[in-house]
Amino acid sequence: AQSVTQLDSQVPVFEEAPVELRCNYSSSVSVYLFWYVQYPNQGLQLLLKYLSGSTLVKGINGFEAEFNKSQTSFHLRKPSVHISDTAEYFCAVSGDKLSFGAGTTVTVRA
Amino acid sequence: SQTIHQWPATLVQPVGSPLSLECTVEGTSNPNLYWYRQAAGRGLQLLFYSVGIGQISSEVPQNLSASRPQDRQFILSSKKLLLSDSGFYLCAWSPLSGGETQYFGPGTRLLVL
Repeated sequence: AQSVTQLDSQVPVFEEAPVELRCNYSSSVSVYLFWYVQYPNQGLQLLLKYLSGSTLVKGINGFEAEFNKSQTSFHLRKPSVHISDTAEYFCAVSGDKLSFGAGTTVTVRA
Repeated sequence: SQTIHQWPATLVQPVGSPLSLECTVEGTSNPNLYWYRQAAGRGLQLLFYSVGIGQISSEVPQNLSASRPQDRQFILSSKKLLLSDSGFYLCAWSPLSGGETQYFGPGTRLLVL
């Protein structure tokens, strides 16, 4: 079985500032890792995923994440956020099934 | 390209009434299908998944059931809704092979009064 911990439930950030959302996972097997974004009253949209290869993964909307196997982490970053990045972000790990973290709400202020 | 539809988008139902939510996928064959529930301010809870027609696995015992009458159709049902069934219901699909990535529908918001 696997589990995911998102270390921050809420992250307020000013427009054009950088943001980092932290995600740690535990698993007894090799995993695939994902970040999804959910805008208000919408479904989840895939931001990026790590399956294998380079540990730095680039996704849509300028986001990137780094897989760190020794620290069992998969933190999401964006160097400069926009108001439109206000949303909830979910980290997920796929082992025997897809397990989600509790989510991090990002609020971008002008 | 593949698309996933859910309807209705919003539903308000009285306690004790039946429920039927529908999910359909276009542009792919033999997908794995999933139902999740997202309660307010909480993460996603996997309710059911299906690897084929008529094959349903339940993750959590509860008041709900699922059916897959066609390859790309997944239905979530209840005979009698409870207040605790309120939430945001999400359907997702993944490819049958190499199916690590799940793609989500727009969701149905259910309010049970």
